[in-house]
Amino acid sequence: GESVGLHLPTLSVQEGDNSIINCAYSNSASDYFIWYKQESGKGPQFIIDIRSNMDKRQGQRVTVLLNKTVKHLSLQIAATQPGDSAVYFCAEIYGQNFVFGPGTRLSVLP
Amino acid sequence: NAGVTQTPKFQVLKTGQSMTLQCAQDMNHEYMSWYRQDPGMGLRLIHYSVGAGITDQGEVPNGYNVSRSTTEDFPLRLLSAAPSQTSVYFCASSYSLDRVDGYTFGSGTRLTVV
Repeated sequence: GESVGLHLPTLSVQEGDNSIINCAYSNSASDYFIWYKQESGKGPQFIIDIRSNMDKRQGQRVTVLLNKTVKHLSLQIAATQPGDSAVYFCAEIYGQNFVFGPGTRLSVLP
Repeated sequence: NAGVTQTPKFQVLKTGQSMTLQCAQDMNHEYMSWYRQDPGMGLRLIHYSVGAGITDQGEVPNGYNVSRSTTEDFPLRLLSAAPSQTSVYFCASSYSLDRVDGYTFGSGTRLTVV
């Protein structure tokens, strides 16, 4: 069953296309950011992180961009696959405090 | 497999009943925490522990108790369940608060209070 809410924004992309998921954060003092993936009925899984002194970080098929001017974070997934279907949410960390965003549901169309 | 194990996966309680959600990790992590996840909202911290014998409150602690008698276990107790506690609960652990990249979540407990 679904473990995340029914009212999340949804992004639908064709298989093979690139996906861009956005997140606005609240605290300009946040010094660390993480993207998580949460599949239905499972707990969140770490995808990629970025520190506030960086603008961009790349992983395998994923890239995170950080724009501190407008307090915006994005996750880019290259060549989206059916297995990428999930809810994605960001977390901002300042000191010992985690603040999690509500998430975006990514739906991959065949 | 190493990780965070939560039990039960599903639970239905009547208002006023009490129960304990179990969380165990076998990674020798010092830091453990409990979150609740509600529709349209981000995870919210209930309680956390930085080591055996040490616990502290998070953002939404009311109605919940925790204890940490061992490094491995961090149970969450609902003292008198209320419908507002209907949620999905996640336990997480890490080597330390500073090792945020090593944050590991359990698979969750879906709790319904009727």
